[in-house]
Amino acid sequence: QSALTQPASVSGSPGQSITISCTGTSSDVGAYKFVSWYQQHPGKAPKLMIFDVNERPSGISYRFSGSKSGNTASLTISGLQAEDEADYYCSSYTTSNTLLFGGGTTLTVL
Amino acid sequence: QVQLVESGGGVVQPGRSLRLSCRATGFTLTNHGMHWVRQAPGKGLEWVAGLWSNGRTRSFADSVKGRVTISRDGFENALYLQMDGLRAEDTAVYYCARDLRYWVYDVWGQGTTVTVTS
Repeated sequence: QSALTQPASVSGSPGQSITISCTGTSSDVGAYKFVSWYQQHPGKAPKLMIFDVNERPSGISYRFSGSKSGNTASLTISGLQAEDEADYYCSSYTTSNTLLFGGGTTLTVL
Repeated sequence: QVQLVESGGGVVQPGRSLRLSCRATGFTLTNHGMHWVRQAPGKGLEWVAGLWSNGRTRSFADSVKGRVTISRDGFENALYLQMDGLRAEDTAVYYCARDLRYWVYDVWGQGTTVTVTS
């Protein structure tokens, strides 16, 4: 199975909003509500930001939100802050009882 | 404090074996599904294997199927990944992760590095 498709990079200025897309197929993103998003700073372990498409874990800022339409999920970060600069990965459960990650998106805060 | 600490990584020759460990503190590992995720140098995340909370159901990525086994020890509160027939493409940082609910990873270890080279 191929990785989910994410843009390699996105950028935005402080205070702006950005959206990262995550495109899969009807066998993964389109099949279930089990889409998550992880943030990873260089040299660090990933951190859960969104699960079940649009649920935020305790302690995660309201500036992070998720959505899904068909085979594409999206992560939106509003009110960009310098500390949001990181790599972001989506993941989705699949009909093969496996997990697929996206290729990752590097967010640059200008 | 809920924490996962991996160990067992190292430099090995192709074809050799390695056993990774992941010790949990602050929670009972057997109450959760536990998974291994790896990240090759400069690359993205790749799910490797998972063990359900029932201790019996396992799932493996096609890239490692037949070469990897996942197990746990409730007494040690630890998760293991036995990797045999290692290949250069297995070179990566290996993370263990706790399954919050259905393939959602809310706790991650700091990772252990495996390098396969001749």
